[in-house]
Amino acid sequence: DAGITQSPRYKITETGRQVTLMCHQTWSHSYMFWYRQDLGHGLRLIYYSAAADITDKGEVPDGYVVSRSKTENFPLTLESATRSQTSVYFCASSDSSGGGSYEQYFGPGTRLTVT
Amino acid sequence: AQSVTQLDSQVPVFEEAPVELRCNYSSSVSVYLFWYVQYPNQGLQLLLKYLSGSTLVKGINGFEAEFNKSQTSFHLRKPSVHISDTAEYFCAVSLFGNEKLTFGTGTRLTIIP
Repeated sequence: DAGITQSPRYKITETGRQVTLMCHQTWSHSYMFWYRQDLGHGLRLIYYSAAADITDKGEVPDGYVVSRSKTENFPLTLESATRSQTSVYFCASSDSSGGGSYEQYFGPGTRLTVT
Repeated sequence: AQSVTQLDSQVPVFEEAPVELRCNYSSSVSVYLFWYVQYPNQGLQLLLKYLSGSTLVKGINGFEAEFNKSQTSFHLRKPSVHISDTAEYFCAVSLFGNEKLTFGTGTRLTIIP
């Protein structure tokens, strides 16, 4: 189906383990984003990507790694998970081509619990 | 850097009553403004946006917002709410021509039957 998908939807992991959250979009949007949503903080940008092989830090990048070898995929890796990374993670994409709407399209989210 | 303030973390409203959700922003340059809605256990979807032109913007589900540059505000309104409007609402801002969004902390709208 067309759209933006995230996997897994739910994940429980232990402190110190590496975890990768997947994001896939079918629109060929150039921009992709990772946010975390925490009570009292709204959504905070972790990393974003303007195109394949171009990534940049957002507001809260520490402890996270991203890559973008293909336009449609934007995985987020927690190299050594900590309890403070327990959160709901959202991936989003937007089309920056000429006349772009600046609207971001969000995936359904991944609820990550670090024990 | 830009920032967004949503002063009301929770707003309870009776069904069929009007509602206003407040949003103020801070930026030294021109901005784009957005309202997103998040229904329970879902991702966010766009309600409406202001990029340029008319300061009164109409969105989906009967919502509208007015951009007020002098007061740096972008309040969201609906004349008559329904149970289905129960959700969390986020105001967001981006710098002119920039794809990155900065979100407010959200307002939880609860509709009382």
